Amino acid sequence: SQTIHQWPATLVQPVGSPLSLECTVEGTSNPNLYWYRQAAGRGLQLLFYSVGIGQISSEVPQNLSASRPQDRQFILSSKKLLLSDSGFYLCAWNGGRAVTYNEQFFGPGTRLTVL
Amino acid sequence: LAKTTQPISMDSYEGQEVNITCSHNNIATNDYITWYQQFPSQGPRFIIQGYKTKVTNEVASLFIPADRKSSTLSLPRVSLSDTAVYYCLVGDALNFNKFYFGSGTKLNVKP
Repeated sequence: SQTIHQWPATLVQPVGSPLSLECTVEGTSNPNLYWYRQAAGRGLQLLFYSVGIGQISSEVPQNLSASRPQDRQFILSSKKLLLSDSGFYLCAWNGGRAVTYNEQFFGPGTRLTVL
Repeated sequence: LAKTTQPISMDSYEGQEVNITCSHNNIATNDYITWYQQFPSQGPRFIIQGYKTKVTNEVASLFIPADRKSSTLSLPRVSLSDTAVYYCLVGDALNFNKFYFGSGTKLNVKP
C-alpha cells in the first residue's frame, strides 16, 4: 500500500529564518506531487505541483520554492520566512497506481508558526 | 478549471440526512466532480467522485443533474463524527495534475 510522510509535524521559526519541509511517498512510482498551504480557518491554497523529477510548477508567486530531487521526494523551502508564511502545510500525491487520477492522498501535514 | 461555489457553513443534527450543494456553472465536458472531507489538523480525504447522474458508495451519494452545472453531496444519517469541512472540486480527469480547493462548507453536526 501507498503511504505519504511529512516532517516535521510542527515547527516554530523566527521571521527571516530559512525553511525546509520534506515529503516522501512510498509504495508507488512516478507520482504527481503537490504542496498546499492552509491558513487558519481557510481553504487549501495550491503552492506547487510536480509531475516528475526536477519538474516544478508554481501556482502562487511568493518567497517559497519547491524541489523534487528524487521520484518520491518533494521539498518545500524558503530562504527567509515571513509572518504570512504561518499555516498548515500539506503534501499530497496522485497518479501512479491511484484508482482514479482525480483522487489525491494527503500527508499528515506540518504546522508552521512564524514568530 | 471550473470555479465552484459552496455554502460557507451548515448545521445539522445527528441522524439527519445532509445535502451540500456545489455550483459549477462553467464545468467543461471532460470535467469530473470530486468531493473531499477534512477534519481539523488533517489533510483532506477523498469521499466520492462522479461525472453525471448519481454515484453512491459506502459513505455518501453524489447527485449530478443533466446540465452538470451543480452537484449535491448527500450524507445519510450524519453523526457527530461527520463534523468537518467538505470541499467540492471540478477538474479534467485527463489533466489531473492540478487541483483547486475552495473554502469548502463547514458542516456542524449537533447532538
